[in-house]
Amino acid sequence: RKEVEQDPGPFNVPEGATVAFNCTYSNSASQSFFWYRQDCRKEPKLLMSVYSSGNEDGRFTAQLNRASQYISLLIRDSKLSDSATYLCVVNGDNSGYALNFGKGTSLLVTP
Amino acid sequence: SAVISQKPSRDICQRGTSLTIQCQVDSQVTMMFWYRQQPGQSLTLIATANQGSEATYESGFVIDKFPISRPNLTFSTLTVSNMSPEDSSIYLCSVGQAYGGPTSYEQYFGPGTRLTVT
Repeated sequence: RKEVEQDPGPFNVPEGATVAFNCTYSNSASQSFFWYRQDCRKEPKLLMSVYSSGNEDGRFTAQLNRASQYISLLIRDSKLSDSATYLCVVNGDNSGYALNFGKGTSLLVTP
Repeated sequence: SAVISQKPSRDICQRGTSLTIQCQVDSQVTMMFWYRQQPGQSLTLIATANQGSEATYESGFVIDKFPISRPNLTFSTLTVSNMSPEDSSIYLCSVGQAYGGPTSYEQYFGPGTRLTVT
């Protein structure tokens, strides 16, 4: 079983739509959770950390369910510039700092 | 966040040769890591670069194939040794900044080195 699993998509949505990505992780000892964004042929960039209480940053909302080992990302009012691959990331080793990446969910926002 | 640069940005190498990738950070950081991203795949951690001691390698990666140096808190190198076409990948340096432990932690990536082995 992979440590971090995501629906690969692609998700094709029109501008202005709301889209949700889901992710599950296998290591119940994980303590840090993140969503990264990766544009084509670019390095991953941190989008947001995910906290137990859930957190929001503008149009982006992240939720964490530790009991189900499930993380979500909601994007409201999608923009063309949101088109990218979204990576679910979880810390995995005993030190807590090395990261395990999901394969990513591809999003295409169309006019 | 720290500014991270990598050299070279890309290279095409012949099998059997070795390539050393450099990672420079504009500020001192405790944690540095090396990842690779094979075509169509997500990132896989190769090793943690430890300053002043040997790197810590993940399962499936060994020092003879991927020797790493970390002479100070702003610089690290990764060497891909005795390359084969299967080593064609993007190699990424990353740095971690902790604000209070594993639950208050962020990791940032360099622009990557795109390696093609022929």
